[in-house]
Order: sequence, then C-alpha cells, then structure tokens
Amino acid sequence: AAGVIQSPRHLIKEKRETATLKCYPIPRHDTVYWYQQGPGQDPQFLISFYEKMQSDKGSIPDRFSAQQFSDYHSELNMSSLELGDSALYFCASSSHPRQGNEQFFGPGTRLTVL
Amino acid sequence: AQSVTQLGSHVSVSEGALVLLRCNYSSSVPPYLFWYVQYPNQGLQLLLKYTSAATLVKGINGFEAEFKKSETSFHLTKPSAHMSDAAEYFCAVSVGDKLIFGTGTRLQVFP
Repeated sequence: AAGVIQSPRHLIKEKRETATLKCYPIPRHDTVYWYQQGPGQDPQFLISFYEKMQSDKGSIPDRFSAQQFSDYHSELNMSSLELGDSALYFCASSSHPRQGNEQFFGPGTRLTVL
Repeated sequence: AQSVTQLGSHVSVSEGALVLLRCNYSSSVPPYLFWYVQYPNQGLQLLLKYTSAATLVKGINGFEAEFKKSETSFHLTKPSAHMSDAAEYFCAVSVGDKLIFGTGTRLQVFP
C-alpha cells in the first residue's frame, strides 16, 4: 500500500539559510499535518491543512510557513534557520480532519542546522 | 486541556516477559486515544486506537490496551516481549484533529 512520502529524507543547512520540506500524502487523503520532533522529544504539532486551506495551527514559528497544493501535497518552508530548528519533521495524512481519525505518518525529514 | 502523561521514560524487560507501558489521560470529554511505535530512524506507526467502541482494544504485533475511565488510564500491554519490540512508544490524544503526544517510553528487551 502507498504510504506518505517525504523528501528529502535528510537535509543539512547553515544558520540563517532556508529549507523546504515536501510531503506527498497517501492517495485520496485530503488532510496533511506537520509535526516537529526534537532530539529525545515527543512530536509537536506545527500546522495542518484540509482541502488546501489551513485547518489548525500549533506552535509554529513565524519564520516557518506551509501550504497545501491542488494535488494535496504540502510544503513546509523554513527561513532564517536556527540551531534549535534541528529536528525530525514528520508529515502525516488522513482522509478527513475528524477527531479520532487515524493519521498515517511519513518516515520524516531529518534537518540538521550547523 | 486534553493531555496524556506517560509514566516511565524507560522500561526494560526480558524477552518473553510481560510488557506494560503506562499512559494516563486528562480530558473532560470522552477522549480518542492512540498508541504509536517509533523504531530507530523511522516514522510513527499506529499500534492501536480507542474511539469508545470497546474498552479493550487489540492492536498489531500482539499489543493491546484497556481504556479505564475510573483510572483515566490507557495502558499498553503485551503478554510476551520479543526482541523486535524494542522501540519508543508514544501515547497520544486527539485534540480537534491534531494529535497531542506524551513524552514517550523507550522499551528495551533483553535476551
């Protein structure tokens, strides 16, 4: 079965650079979620999209922005990178943003900021 | 606010022994609860979820969890641990449509 695809899997950037992370949801899933997992931490919700509109927002820095495109893939744009942005970034998708719906997670993008 | 608390950041068991990973929830309304497993350098995989249909939920890989409202708990168990169960386990609650995770429990299995 097709799963959530994230690219790149690994990314190394310098401080103050920008990064773009991509997420391709499971076919026919219309909802995408982004989570950030710092070293030794639990995943923290950043932002979600349903039918190309932002549906919920968590503790996402103003330096970060995201969008969902007409093919339902999503991109997380990160600017003015800081050392503290080094983390594993997960994308998840579901068939509808309903409470209790299962979210299917991608393998994550490991971002290292030097 | 809804949240989950995982007791014990590390749990060690011998292969074949009972696995018990603890999760307590805080919610003023019936919660939707999940257990996810994360193997090293991998994403999160759903083990099981509670959505009020039945208090005893069976998941994949022989895991199960029991929802106990009186104890506000949703502990994860497996009768007999296998070496391949070594991983990080996260309890989570659905708040709106997003997931709020506990701090995780790392399970070690010794031969």
